Amino acid sequence: EVQLVESGGGLVQPGGSLRLSCAASGFSFSSYWMSWVRQAPGKGLEWVANIKQDGNEKYYADSVKGRFTISRDNAKNSLYLQMNSLRAEDTAIYYCARELTPYPGPLDYWGQGTLVTVSS
Amino acid sequence: QLVLTQSPSASASLGASVKLTCTLSSGHSSYAIAWHQQQPEKGPRYLMKLNSDGSHSKGDGIPDRFSGSSSGAERYLTISSLQSEDEADYYCQTWGTDIRVFGGGTKLTVL
Repeated sequence: EVQLVESGGGLVQPGGSLRLSCAASGFSFSSYWMSWVRQAPGKGLEWVANIKQDGNEKYYADSVKGRFTISRDNAKNSLYLQMNSLRAEDTAIYYCARELTPYPGPLDYWGQGTLVTVSS
Repeated sequence: QLVLTQSPSASASLGASVKLTCTLSSGHSSYAIAWHQQQPEKGPRYLMKLNSDGSHSKGDGIPDRFSGSSSGAERYLTISSLQSEDEADYYCQTWGTDIRVFGGGTKLTVL
C-alpha cells in the first residue's frame, strides 16, 4: 500500500524557516518524481515544487521561487521542503504527492498533510 | 497561460447523477487533465487521468460510478448513483514540463 506521511509543520514567525519531511513507503520511491502542494485555509490547491527521481531536476511555483528548496533522500525514502523567509501567505496545509509515470503526469497519491502557520 | 476553470459549486440529489466541468484555457485544448476528490478534513484523492479524446484511466479502488469524458477544451467528471460520501470538493489538474496547475475546485453538495 502506497503511503506518504508528512511531518515538520508548526507555528513559525514571519521571516523564519521550517523544514518539512515526507516519509514514503509501499512503492519504489527512487523511481518517481515527487511534488509538494499546499492549501491555504478555506482555499484551493496550489502546486509548490517538484523534483526528479535523482534530484537533479527541480521546478518551483513563482510564489516560492528563491525561498523554498525541494530535496530528497532516496536511501531514506524521504522528500523534504526547506522553507525560508516565510510569510503570512505561506500559511497552509502542505501535502506531498507522487507523480504518475511517465513524466509529466498527474499526482496519483497524496499524503494527509502537515499544517504550517506563519504568524507573530 | 495554462489555466483551468471550474464552477465553484454544484448540487444533486442522493441517487442521481451529476456532471462537473473543467475548462482548459485557450490554446491548451489538447491537454490531458486529472480529477481529484477532497472530502472534508481529508487530503486529496486521485480519481482519474482524462485525455482529450475522452479515454481515461482511474486510480486504485475508484468505483465505476465515476467516469470522465471530453469535448474540445472541456473535461467532465460524471458521478452516477450519488452517495452521501460523494459530497466533497473536486479539483481538476493539468501539467506541463515545469508546472502543475489546479482548477479552483467545485464544491459538490449531495441533497
